[in-house]
Amino acid sequence: KAGVTQTPRYLIKTRGQQVTLSCSPISGHRSVSWYQQTPGQGLQFLFEYFSETQRNKGNFPGRFSGRQFSNSRSEMNVSTLELGDSALYLCASTEAGSTDTQYFGPGTRLTVL
Amino acid sequence: GQQLNQSPQSMFIQEGEDVSMNCTSSSIFNTWLWYKQDPGEGPVLLIALYKAGELTSNGRLTAQFGITRKDSFLNISASIPSDVGIYFCAGRAAGKLIFGQGTTLQVKP
Repeated sequence: KAGVTQTPRYLIKTRGQQVTLSCSPISGHRSVSWYQQTPGQGLQFLFEYFSETQRNKGNFPGRFSGRQFSNSRSEMNVSTLELGDSALYLCASTEAGSTDTQYFGPGTRLTVL
Repeated sequence: GQQLNQSPQSMFIQEGEDVSMNCTSSSIFNTWLWYKQDPGEGPVLLIALYKAGELTSNGRLTAQFGITRKDSFLNISASIPSDVGIYFCAGRAAGKLIFGQGTTLQVKP
């Protein structure tokens, strides 16, 4: 099976812009979670989607949003980008249950100038 | 909120040495996971622990789920250069995965 794929791998934006990141889970996996990774804060949970519905949410401002499509692919959007949004954004997929093992993609490196 | 304290922050060891790292929390977790992350890649699952007291091995790696459910450790025996990377613990509770800050491991050949 192919692993979790994320596009694009690298992205450069300027403050105030918005960005959309994409994640394709492992075939058959229905749950997708998103994480932000920075040197200072480590890995922080953004949100989780299951069957097109947000199942869990972390403590991030409303500028961060996401959605999941019927084929389980997921997108996350960040509006009004700030310098502090520069980070590696990781997507992880699981088969279904919240106790299932999460498999991570390679991440999207976002740089905000 | 829930936090995990992972230590040490970094380690620089000689090839062949054993390594030990651990995570502690004031909160109880139902699952403990250990991941390794190489530069430019996402974390890769090494070991998953589901029951208090559970001791699990994966090759040269051994991890344990603490009896109190508030801690876990990972041991790497006979380290080799490809063990280099960042190791993360993660605890799951209420459907959310909380990560430690990571332990950066460097191995000198």
